[in-house]
Amino acid sequence: DSGVTQTPKHLITATGQRVTLRCSPRSGDLSVYWYQQSLDQGLQFLIQYYNGEERAKGNILERFSAQQFPDLHSELNLSSLELGDSALYFCASSVGSGLAGTSTDTQYFGPGTRLTVL
Amino acid sequence: AQKITQTQPGMFVQEKEAVTLDCTYDTSDPSYGLFWYKQPSSGEMIFLIYQGSYDQQNATEGRYSLNFQKARKSANLVISASQLGDSAMYFCAMRETGTALIFGKGTTLSVSS
Repeated sequence: DSGVTQTPKHLITATGQRVTLRCSPRSGDLSVYWYQQSLDQGLQFLIQYYNGEERAKGNILERFSAQQFPDLHSELNLSSLELGDSALYFCASSVGSGLAGTSTDTQYFGPGTRLTVL
Repeated sequence: AQKITQTQPGMFVQEKEAVTLDCTYDTSDPSYGLFWYKQPSSGEMIFLIYQGSYDQQNATEGRYSLNFQKARKSANLVISASQLGDSAMYFCAMRETGTALIFGKGTTLSVSS
C-alpha cells in the first residue's frame, strides 16, 4: 500500500459525459501528479499540483481539468468524454515540487481509476 | 527522440534465476533521477528502486539492484532469485529538474516454475 488513495476504482460512463476522479496523497506529500495509461500512448503525464498551485502541465486535453484543494486532495475532471479517453488514470504524490534539489523525489502511485467510456 | 528506451518487450526467466531488464536514457540535465516501477496484472504501479545522477554507488533494495552506468546512460534493473510473484510489467522512468516522470514503454517479465 503506497498510502495514496484514489476513488473510484472503476468508472463506466457514456460518450459526452463528465466524470470526476479523486485522489488523496500520502501524508506529508505536497505534490500530486496525474497520469494517463492507455495501450496506444503508454504512461503519459497530465498535470502536477504543488501545495494547491498548478506546477507543471503535460499532455492534458482542454476537456480535462484538475485542482488541488487546501487539504491537498486533488480532483481530475474529464468532460465531453470520448471513446479514446478510456484508460487507467493514476494519481501519484511526492514530497517536493520537482524544482532543483527535489527533482529526484520518489513519486508513489495510487491504485488507479479505470475509466471505460462506452 | 525517446528519453527512455526499454528494448525488451518481453523477458522469460525461471524461478530462482537472476534477470536483467534493460533501460537507456537520454538527458543533458546534470541532475536527474532514475526509477523503476512494477505493474502487476492487477494494475497498480509499485515503486521498486531509485538512483540519483550524483549517486556514486549502485542502488539496491532487497532483491532489486540498479546497474547504473552513467557514461553509457544506462540504468538496468537486476532482479536476483526471481519469484513467481515477480511476473509483471516493469517500467523504467526518469525525472529531470522541473519535469514529471517520463516512462519507457515497459518490459513484461514472465517467471516460470
